[in-house]
Order: sequence, then structure tokens, then C-alpha cells
Amino acid sequence: SAVISQKPSRDICQRGTSLTIQCQVDSQVTMMFWYRQQPGQSLTLIATANQGSEATYESGFVIDKFPISRPNLTFSTLTVSNMSPEDSSIYLCSVEEGGRSDTQYFGPGTRLTVL
Amino acid sequence: ILNVEQSPQSLHVQEGDSTNFTCSFPSSNFYALHWYRWETAKSPEALFVMTLNGDEKKKGRISATLNTKEGYSYLYIKGSQPEDSATYLCAFMGSNTGKLIFGQGTTLQVKP
Repeated sequence: SAVISQKPSRDICQRGTSLTIQCQVDSQVTMMFWYRQQPGQSLTLIATANQGSEATYESGFVIDKFPISRPNLTFSTLTVSNMSPEDSSIYLCSVEEGGRSDTQYFGPGTRLTVL
Repeated sequence: ILNVEQSPQSLHVQEGDSTNFTCSFPSSNFYALHWYRWETAKSPEALFVMTLNGDEKKKGRISATLNTKEGYSYLYIKGSQPEDSATYLCAFMGSNTGKLIFGQGTTLQVKP
């Protein structure tokens, strides 16, 4: 199974600033996903990041707010731009191994607090 | 909008008790149902991926059943231990989307 690390593990940021979260996988994977969990809410998919193409964003999420890079098959970044307190969440990356019905593996998450 | 519901929201049991949680999901366009265990400050850990109606899966003291026709899955923990304390998430994958839709989770606290 894939081992995933994320940096930073947590951060406290000021309103209006941006934070870039890094996700590193120990093997090459095609599909990488970014999720967030706001307090008291479900894990929600932000976007799917494939290497060599632009990320595909879910309804309610836009590239200007959450730009994503996927420079190779083991790494991705998610930037949370122009942050507001509503962006306070846990952000997780995940990867899919094998086919669609296979397990998704998650990183440990980045706990973001925006003041 | 696809809805995945989990109940109860939280549960407190004594060590040694057996317990179960429910995950309800759309009964149409079913592709797979995932169960995860998520301990604080750790990665969500995959427990089961279930794809067939009537499926039953087991991992140690934890087992799960699946009914795709009526849209529910049960997760059972036999003889709960304090280390079982975590949030248990289910996630539905539809055949027309290929994406995971998560429930809000059931948070289990096992008291020694």
C-alpha cells in the first residue's frame, strides 16, 4: 500500500494570506485527490489531480482559490489562497491504487486554522 | 445531490462491549462502498471495500455487511477495545462518478 506524507502537519495563518500544502507518495500513482473536512462536516472532494493535465475541480471549488500542481507521479501541492476563517479545515491528499474499486490511501492531513 | 448518512453520530461503550454502526447510501448507480477508520492525527486507514450485494467482510474483530438494493451497510466491532476508539467513515462510490462521497462518520469512544 502507498505511504503518503503531507507538509505541514498543521498551521495557523492570518486572514488574506496563502498556504501551500505538499503531498508526497512513496510510489508512482496516476490519480491523486485533495479533500477537506470542515469542522463537523464530511470529508469533501476538492479536486482530482492527474500528472500532465490540469486538475479537475468539484462543484463549489475553483482554481483561483485552490490552485493545484502535479509536476510528477509522486508529488502534488494544493494552495489555499486568500484565506478566510471559513477555510479552517483538515486538508488531506489521497491516491488510488489499482482500479476504481480499489482502496484509496490517505495522507495524515494538514490541520489549518485561519484567524 | 448524493447523500451518505451515518448513525449514530457518536457512541460511548465499555471495553468488551460489541457495537455496530450504520451507513445509508443511494441504492441506484452503486459501484462500491468503502469503510475507513480515522484516529486523531493519523491517516484514515482503509478497512473494507465492498462491491457485491450481500458481501460480508471481516478483519479481526471488525466485520461489515452490504445491502446495495436497500442502500445500507453495517459495521460491527466485537469485544470493543480502547484502541478501537476512532471515527469510522463510510464512503459511497457511484458507477456514474467514480468519486467517493463520505458520510459524516461515527465517533466511537471505548472506555477501559
